[in-house]
Amino acid sequence: SYELTQPPSVSVSPGQTASITCSGDKLGDTYAWWYQQKPGQSPVLIIYHGTKRPSGIPERFSGSNSGDTATLTISGTQAMDEADYYCQAWDSSTFPLFGGGTKLTVL
Amino acid sequence: QLQLQESGSGLVKPSQTLSLTCTVSGGSISSGAYSWIWIRRPPGKGLEWIGYIRHIGSTYYNPSLESRVTISMDRSKNQFSLKLNSVTAADTAVYYCARVASLAFDYWGQGILVTVSS
Repeated sequence: SYELTQPPSVSVSPGQTASITCSGDKLGDTYAWWYQQKPGQSPVLIIYHGTKRPSGIPERFSGSNSGDTATLTISGTQAMDEADYYCQAWDSSTFPLFGGGTKLTVL
Repeated sequence: QLQLQESGSGLVKPSQTLSLTCTVSGGSISSGAYSWIWIRRPPGKGLEWIGYIRHIGSTYYNPSLESRVTISMDRSKNQFSLKLNSVTAADTAVYYCARVASLAFDYWGQGILVTVSS
């Protein structure tokens, strides 16, 4: 079955750049979507169609794709960015699936 | 501004049926541009999609849950619903409803904790 693989955790110092990867066999043929979820809150869409930011999402969040790996990059990471991050894709535009999630810690 | 609100029982006994409703305000669930999805997050685990319903009423379910899930919509009330039968402790989770727009889950409800326990 198709899976998306993310690192369980990533740590970054304030002001530095954090990169969260998402690997999957079909990511070379499709986009990735990214969601941020803070404790006690609902997930928020932060990247769609691989690279696009919804209105209201800070410019420090960006998405990219290379081969079978999608990457979420947070430039100038702030303490408020500490959260769980999930990548998501679609299998044949019919079945969605999520990566296992990455806990970002801002030290 | 679109808003989604989950409602239903927060405590379900093992082997019984979990029933949740998502009430949508600020937009119509009958709009051809959108589908409507249920997603859950068990404690200590990641997000898992349960199933979704298109505006025309066709449904798609996670294969791992398909035998136990039913999603339906009530256009007159602008609501869509989830039923999950034969629940076990493994179904304990925060359940979210969300809108699917151009393959993105762009609006989410606040979530409802459902605990399966006797």
